[in-house]
Amino acid sequence: QVQLVQSGAEVKKPGASVKVSCKTSGYTFTNYAIGWVRQAPGQGLEWMGWISGYNGNTNHAQKLHGRVTMTRDTSTSTAYMDLTSLRSDDTAVYYCARASGDYSPFDYWGQGTLVTVSS
Amino acid sequence: EIVMTQSPASLSVSPGERATLSCRASQSLSSNLAWYQQKPGQTPRLLIYDASTRATGIPARFSGSGSGTEFTLTISSLQSEDFAVYYCHQYHNWPPLFGPGTKVDIK
Repeated sequence: QVQLVQSGAEVKKPGASVKVSCKTSGYTFTNYAIGWVRQAPGQGLEWMGWISGYNGNTNHAQKLHGRVTMTRDTSTSTAYMDLTSLRSDDTAVYYCARASGDYSPFDYWGQGTLVTVSS
Repeated sequence: EIVMTQSPASLSVSPGERATLSCRASQSLSSNLAWYQQKPGQTPRLLIYDASTRATGIPARFSGSGSGTEFTLTISSLQSEDFAVYYCHQYHNWPPLFGPGTKVDIK
């Protein structure tokens, strides 16, 4: 069965960086993309970006430009999301989710990773 | 950038009743719209994609319709497990945004 398992919760200080991992199984990693979506406490879903499992091409939301890096390791079928210069408004649950391409819905989701940014 | 709106923001429905949720886009999406359900403390779940296709394992009481700029999610007879927040998601244009959500709670 398809599974996306994310790394554990993180607490970071403002200005620090965080790297969230998303280990996938149950399907051919290179046939799909991985998207990243975050949800601030009590708020809605915010699309962050995606990475192609096939060639590593990425695209991300303009508001995160310069602070987010998405990578993948095909040998372990794992995707990573790195967010730098953390601010308090980056506090959120971060989800990875599978998509068949860049313009596709998300059919399977990870369990979410809570990132708390606090001094 | 496309603007996504959902109405109503919240909806109180009795079990067994029908619920109709709306999603509107500022530009045409063709049929490139999905609906997700999210229960408190849980991960979003894909219900509908391509505006009207039910995802694997989704009960027939969930149906989607619409194209262009106006879309509807209908839950024909609400069950206790259906009380949740519902988000629409457009994947037609860049960036692929989510709507703000509609919360469905018990009347």
